[in-house]
Amino acid sequence: EAGVAQSPRYKIIEKRQSVAFWCNPISGHATLYWYQQILGQGPKLLIQFQNNGVVDDSQLPKDRFSAERLKGVDSTLKIQPAKLEDSAVYLCASSLAPQGGTQYFGPGTRLTVL
Amino acid sequence: KNQVEQSPQSLIILEGKNCTLQCNYTVSPFSNLRWYKQDTGRGPVSLTIMTFSENTKSNGRYTATLDADTKQSSLHITASQLSDSASYICVVSAGTDKLIFGTGTRLQVFP
Repeated sequence: EAGVAQSPRYKIIEKRQSVAFWCNPISGHATLYWYQQILGQGPKLLIQFQNNGVVDDSQLPKDRFSAERLKGVDSTLKIQPAKLEDSAVYLCASSLAPQGGTQYFGPGTRLTVL
Repeated sequence: KNQVEQSPQSLIILEGKNCTLQCNYTVSPFSNLRWYKQDTGRGPVSLTIMTFSENTKSNGRYTATLDADTKQSSLHITASQLSDSASYICVVSAGTDKLIFGTGTRLQVFP
């Protein structure tokens, strides 16, 4: 079974530039999550989708971050404009069901903002 | 406030030795507790999951315990291997789908 796919794996940009990350969840998983993991910390949930609807985006900095999952399958996370403090690993995860189901994580995208 | 605390922050052991990682939580309502292993440059991978009624769960050389009364969990690694070098994250599920992540314990196993 293929796992959660993410691209790119690494990205270096300058502050105020824009960047987009892509995630393809495990086939059949209705729930998709984007996390931000700053070095030395645990992942922080940015947004959770159930199919193509947003379940929780309370910690998403909406002035600069946006995410979509238009067809209920793959998803993109965008940052515009990026700040230095956005440097982190962005993890995508998916689960079969939202109620306490095991989340399967992708390899992450490491973003460096200079 | 829902919180998960882990100790130690980092740990260095020699190959073949055992070690125990700790997790204390204040999460309500408690649903389940998971231990994840995160290799450098990779996403976390689930090792064990325990619900309120379970007090021990094993996965190979990994054994997790849960004391729901004291709200503590531990992850014991037996006969450590170099490949055990990773961060170990304790994650508690609050209610139906909200996950509370600990900051992790960074384990380094040296030959």
